[in-house]
Amino acid sequence: GENVEQHPSTLSVQEGDSAVIKCTYSDSASNYFPWYKQELGKGPQLIIDIRSNVGEKKDQRIAVTLNKTAKHFSLHITETQPEDSAVYFCAASRRGSWGKLQFGAGTQVVVTP
Amino acid sequence: NAGVTQTPKFQVLKTGQSMTLQCAQDMNHNSMYWYRQDPGMGLRLIYYSASEGTTDKGEVPNGYNVSRLNKREFSLRLESAAPSQTSVYFCASSEAQGTNYGYTFGSGTRLTVV
Repeated sequence: GENVEQHPSTLSVQEGDSAVIKCTYSDSASNYFPWYKQELGKGPQLIIDIRSNVGEKKDQRIAVTLNKTAKHFSLHITETQPEDSAVYFCAASRRGSWGKLQFGAGTQVVVTP
Repeated sequence: NAGVTQTPKFQVLKTGQSMTLQCAQDMNHNSMYWYRQDPGMGLRLIYYSASEGTTDKGEVPNGYNVSRLNKREFSLRLESAAPSQTSVYFCASSEAQGTNYGYTFGSGTRLTVV
């Protein structure tokens, strides 16, 4: 089955700097890669996703890149703000899997003013 | 617009007790899922329901059962709770069928088994 590894497990950045989280996946048939943000005491919330026919996607200060050859995808957050502090999860799924997502272990991001 | 509603939010059980976690979505989604979240392990799939009337096992189904009561509701039952089932449980829903889409998650149930 699919295995998703996520690094780093914790990330501390100064406000205004960029943050990058990287995930690798094992199943070459995976074609959908969402990212979730989880604030303390809440459920994960979808923040951006990318499909395998696209190499990069941006939404304001966040972007995701996908390298299918190397089987890795990354989340980039620019101009970080204190409200970006949260746990971020990557995930992957393949077509025909009834939407089942395999999640990475998560990255705790701390943005210090 | 409620999204995905989970009840209860918190629960403490004694070993051997049973309970049912409730989940309902109002987005007319076809697929629903139950995950558990443990520190350092991300989210692991317990059971899922691809559509009304169907259920299937995920990665960690032992000790759990599910019921897809109708298109809106998907419940998770612990028949005989064990301390290893102490976790935060999340229900999620998705439009997914032929094409996969992101999930909408509930706010979670924090379960402690003593």
